[in-house]
Amino acid sequence: IQLTQSPSSVSASVGDRVTITCRASQAIGNWLAWYQQKPGKAPRLLIHSASTLQSGVPSRFSGNGSETDFSLIISGLQPEDFATYYCHQTNSFPFGGGTKVEIK
Amino acid sequence: QVHLQESGPGLVKPSETLSLTCTVSGGPLNSNYWAWVRQSPGGGLEWIGYIYYRGDTSYNPPLKSRVTISLDPAKKQFSLSLRSVTTADTAVYYCARRSPWSAFALDVWGQGTTVTVSS
Repeated sequence: IQLTQSPSSVSASVGDRVTITCRASQAIGNWLAWYQQKPGKAPRLLIHSASTLQSGVPSRFSGNGSETDFSLIISGLQPEDFATYYCHQTNSFPFGGGTKVEIK
Repeated sequence: QVHLQESGPGLVKPSETLSLTCTVSGGPLNSNYWAWVRQSPGGGLEWIGYIYYRGDTSYNPPLKSRVTISLDPAKKQFSLSLRSVTTADTAVYYCARRSPWSAFALDVWGQGTTVTVSS
């Protein structure tokens, strides 16, 4: 199974709504997580089970989707949200290729 | 709060074995899976494999022939051994907890340790 993220990068401004998609090559139910990674730091779990917000993660982050099509939505981008985001099929191995959210 | 810390050599020669250890503090090994993930310079995340607290292992197929993950419950540590390394194995190596309570997502990570393969 492969996970394809799009876009690979996006330029956005503070306050914008950003949507990142992750497409699985086969149906994976809701076995999908999203991570945020900042330069030089370990990834941080944001969402698991496609839409369950991890404890301590701001509510501006949300996830949806099932089977093959998933989305991570950041509603009202904050300065600390500029980072790279990865999707991950949690009952197997693959990670998506990553989406870098950059400042416009 | 669970904390993970990687340790091991930062430099390994080609054809030798890369060995890293992850020490778990602040929580039990029980009921969890313990994983290794790596990230090559400027690259994305790559699973290496994981071990269940009972000792069952699962490895990413491209690396399976060279990888062993083991567990030392008495020391609250788990370890990675990667044999016959090449420069392509140069990466930041992370240990992480794969928790059933977060649908097997990686909910706790170590800070990562950089390993360079070079003669």
